[in-house]
Amino acid sequence: AQRVTQPEKLLSVFKGAPVELKCNYSYSGSPELFWYVQYSRQRLQLLLRHISRESIKGFTADLNKGETSFHLKKPFAQEEDSAMYYCALPTGGGNKLTFGTGTQLKVEL
Amino acid sequence: NAGVTQTPKFQVLKTGQSMTLQCAQDMNHNSMYWYRQDPGMGLRLIYYSASEGTTDKGEVPNGYNVSRLNKREFSLRLESAAPSQTSVYFCASSEVRGANTGELFFGEGSRLTVL
Repeated sequence: AQRVTQPEKLLSVFKGAPVELKCNYSYSGSPELFWYVQYSRQRLQLLLRHISRESIKGFTADLNKGETSFHLKKPFAQEEDSAMYYCALPTGGGNKLTFGTGTQLKVEL
Repeated sequence: NAGVTQTPKFQVLKTGQSMTLQCAQDMNHNSMYWYRQDPGMGLRLIYYSASEGTTDKGEVPNGYNVSRLNKREFSLRLESAAPSQTSVYFCASSEVRGANTGELFFGEGSRLTVL
């Protein structure tokens, strides 16, 4: 079955420290992976997708097929990065996404 | 553009009551979805509609029904609410772009409490 696993419910880092939010996936074939973010009192929104290979708000994510991972990284955390982050991949066709359980990132001053 | 609009934002029900969550999108998207968000469970797909006139079950459809009223609107109905349906519900829409999965655009969420 296709699924994503986010092992950390909560990740707390200090401002300026590096951030790595973990995501592992189970998928047969070439996966298309996404990170969505939900800031406090805002809608859930797309942060980045691996096929675009962009850096959004300083975040990057590299697909590692050998380790079946798509970890989200940022070299220097900012206070405004505090949010809930979800890793997601398509399942079953029809443009449907399966989401992980989410990681709450807290950036402390 | 309002994007995806959900109503109501908050609702408290008693066990056994029924209610409908409304969702509308103004982006002319073909696909629409209903997810529920629970602590420690992430987002789980309840139902989706790939296009007007079609609906399909997602991961957790039991206890829910949906109606794709037209291209803009996709409603979620709880016929007999249960405490296990206490959750935050999100409606989303997307457009397929060729072979790639389209970005999902979400509503603000509807917080439902069943007593």
